[in-house]
Amino acid sequence: NAGVTQTPKFQVLKTGQSMTLQCAQDMNHEYMSWYRQDPGMGLRLIHYSVGAGITDQGEVPNGYNVSRSTTEDFPLRLLSAAPSQTSVYFCAISRSGVSSPLHFGNGTRLTVT
Amino acid sequence: EDQVTQSPEALRLQEGESSSLNCSYTVSGLRGLFWYRQDPGKGPEFLFTLYSAGEEKEKERLKATLTKKESFLHITAPKPEDSATYLCAVTKAAGNKLTFGGGTRVLVKP
Repeated sequence: NAGVTQTPKFQVLKTGQSMTLQCAQDMNHEYMSWYRQDPGMGLRLIHYSVGAGITDQGEVPNGYNVSRSTTEDFPLRLLSAAPSQTSVYFCAISRSGVSSPLHFGNGTRLTVT
Repeated sequence: EDQVTQSPEALRLQEGESSSLNCSYTVSGLRGLFWYRQDPGKGPEFLFTLYSAGEEKEKERLKATLTKKESFLHITAPKPEDSATYLCAVTKAAGNKLTFGGGTRVLVKP
């Protein structure tokens, strides 16, 4: 039972490149979300999903796309990477939205040069 | 705008030296306040949820308390393995978002 699996663990991109960060869960939780963590800024919500086929924007959605075609997967797409997107990205899930504790993956460290 | 402020930013303790971390919040209609622990290179790990003023939760050497404006995480007789960053976060009655504070980095020296 892996919980939340994020791939890759590390990634370096050049400005303008695109990529997809993967998040997969085996806990059958409806709520999935993406956060970025930057020094001095705390964790900030990018996008979230309350179930398959339903997504919504968080606090800092610009430059990112998401889709949720299955309960298990919630990929985050960077359309045209910028240095400001250098960060650590965490996927987090919960049984029933933010009123339940979040269970986090171990993150993807992304550097955009 | 919802705000969560944690203090201090960093805390160095000797093993056995008890201390408290503060999380002050400004949110209308608090639904819940969460405490998480984060080790370097890992995702945050859930510790506690508090829902109403006066509530307290305990786990080993950690005790979390909640008032109408702030929460405290008390660390009693800490050990080196308690070294981590402690995060608090709040959610309100309406909406589906969690607002995090910046965290407190705790280092416990033997």
